[in-house]
Amino acid sequence: ETGVTQSPTHLIKTRGQQVTLRCSSQSGHNTVSWYQQALGQGPQFIFQYYREEENGRGNFPPRFSGLQFPNYSSELNVNALELDDSALYLCASSLGGGGGVEQYFGPGTRLTVT
Amino acid sequence: AQSVTQLDSQVPVFEEAPVELRCNYSSSVSVYLFWYVQYPNQGLQLLLKYLSGSTLVESINGFEAEFNKSQTSFHLRKPSVHISDTAEYFCAVTPQGGSEKLVFGKGTKLTVNP
Repeated sequence: ETGVTQSPTHLIKTRGQQVTLRCSSQSGHNTVSWYQQALGQGPQFIFQYYREEENGRGNFPPRFSGLQFPNYSSELNVNALELDDSALYLCASSLGGGGGVEQYFGPGTRLTVT
Repeated sequence: AQSVTQLDSQVPVFEEAPVELRCNYSSSVSVYLFWYVQYPNQGLQLLLKYLSGSTLVESINGFEAEFNKSQTSFHLRKPSVHISDTAEYFCAVTPQGGSEKLVFGKGTKLTVNP
């Protein structure tokens, strides 16, 4: 069984640019959630996708957007990058069905905005 | 809305000593509770969770946590720590019956010294 994978591992971008981060969910999982973890902080929920539809969004501006594909992999897109977007971006997959379901996290993508 | 407070940002202990990492939460609805562990440069791993039933839950590596509804707490304990337990520990909650959005605390850095 393959776990959650994310690419790339590290990324350096310039302020104002756009970035796409990718996540492959664990086999059989139909739900993907994205989190932003700033240095020294706990992860913050960005949004969740369930069967290709957005299923909840945290307090992030519209320049954070996402997609989920038929194979349940997912992308996180961030436009007009700001310095404060520098963080570890974590993807988690799960079998949808409620808050008690375990989420399996990938290793993350470290984004640095200069 | 939910919030999680981890009362200690750093906890240094000696090997084989007991440890307690404190977690309090606030929520207007019933929640599920989780402890995640993050080793350096890795994603999050589920340590243990409370969904229902016995208020004392245990992990396979000797950690335990007790849900106290009246004190809205979910403290994590281990009677004897090892060097390998050095990591960051995050307490998280998610509302029962809602989405799988996890609300995390800011984390507690546990450092086990020889």
